[in-house]
Amino acid sequence: NAGVTQTPKFQVLKTGQSMTLQCAQDMNHEYMSWYRQDPGMGLRLIHYSVGAGITDQGEVPNGYNVSRSTTEDFPLRLLSAAPSQTSVYFCASSLGQFNEKLFFGSGTQLSVL
Amino acid sequence: SQQGEEDPQALSIQEGENATMNCSYKTSINNLQWYRQNSGRGLVHLILIRSNEREKHSGRLRVTLDTSKKSSSLLITASRAADTASYFCATVLTGGGNKLTFGTGTQLKVEL
Repeated sequence: NAGVTQTPKFQVLKTGQSMTLQCAQDMNHEYMSWYRQDPGMGLRLIHYSVGAGITDQGEVPNGYNVSRSTTEDFPLRLLSAAPSQTSVYFCASSLGQFNEKLFFGSGTQLSVL
Repeated sequence: SQQGEEDPQALSIQEGENATMNCSYKTSINNLQWYRQNSGRGLVHLILIRSNEREKHSGRLRVTLDTSKKSSSLLITASRAADTASYFCATVLTGGGNKLTFGTGTQLKVEL
């Protein structure tokens, strides 16, 4: 099993550009989520999904969109990148939506110039 | 705002010593989890303790939970250089749905 796969690993954008961070899991997990990690801030939840077709906002959703058309994939879209979105992004999944441990991808390091 | 705060922010010990990290949180929880992050990598789940549990063990890891003080501790016994990493606590809030809220982490360095 590959687990949780994130692509790309590194990305540099210019302010105003758009891009999609990809996340896929092959564990048939219902719950998927996106976090961003900034120095001194820990991880903060951006968006999450409890199943295909269902998404909801986390702590810091502004500037990001998500969709969940399949159980396996949960892409994160930046419509108009801003320097404040420079961060390391982690996708995570769990078997169920209630209190289960998270499995993390290896992260995407994004720089917005 | 951060739900969990780890203490200390950084810890440096010699191989073979024990390492203790603490986590404090603000509101009632369903469970508390500890994760490890090696430099440049994703987080790895270590242990989960539920609100009705007081202590849990997994190998060289021992976690305690004191809900009256809203605090938890992670003890790593007989540390090894490979334990060098950042350690995060994460909480699932009572009535707060299923979202994990992470603390700011403790950076542990184990020297040979």
